[in-house]
Amino acid sequence: AQSVTQLDSHVSVSEGTPVLLRCNYSSSYSPSLFWYVQHPNKGLQLLLKYTSAATLVKGINGFEAEFKKSETSFHLTKPSAHMSDAAEYFCVVSSDSGYSTLTFGKGTMLLVSP
Amino acid sequence: DGGITQSPKYLFRKEGQNVTLSCEQNLNHDAMYWYRQDPGQGLRLIYYSQIVNDFQKGDIAEGYSVSREKKESFPLTVTSAQKNPTAFYLCASKGLGYNEQFFGPGTRLTVL
Repeated sequence: AQSVTQLDSHVSVSEGTPVLLRCNYSSSYSPSLFWYVQHPNKGLQLLLKYTSAATLVKGINGFEAEFKKSETSFHLTKPSAHMSDAAEYFCVVSSDSGYSTLTFGKGTMLLVSP
Repeated sequence: DGGITQSPKYLFRKEGQNVTLSCEQNLNHDAMYWYRQDPGQGLRLIYYSQIVNDFQKGDIAEGYSVSREKKESFPLTVTSAQKNPTAFYLCASKGLGYNEQFFGPGTRLTVL
């Protein structure tokens, strides 16, 4: 069985400061990991994905995440927050590349103040 | 443009009524999924389908039904048996050999 824990339900930052959204996972298999972003009343957009290649993954809009197997973590970072980054972020795990289902974390709401 | 469409964007239903949510994709994806989203709960899987005329229950299938008669379409029916249907419903699809799912814009269902 697999699971995802997002360690913060809300994170508040000021515009121009770094962003850190924390995620720990549990999986019986070699996992694929994703971060999705959701703006209010919208669908989910893929930010980045880890699929056993490079452990440091770069995504869209300046976000990146580092896969650390020893810590079972996949934290999302951005050097400088922008007002448009305010949204909800989901850490997601998938166990294989077939038709497997995804397991979602409960989400972290990122608030960006001017 | 390729993508996933869901309709309607907002839906209101009286208690005791069945309602069907539409999901269409033109990405030529084989697999399609329905999720329910409640505040602070993340996304929970309702049903998924790997091929036409086949589908499997997810974690919270009670009170819902689906069909998959065409590759492009995966409608979800919320029946009167669903005790608390007010939620945001998201449809997704995935291509063979890919890990990530692509999401539609969602339908917000409110039971009056």
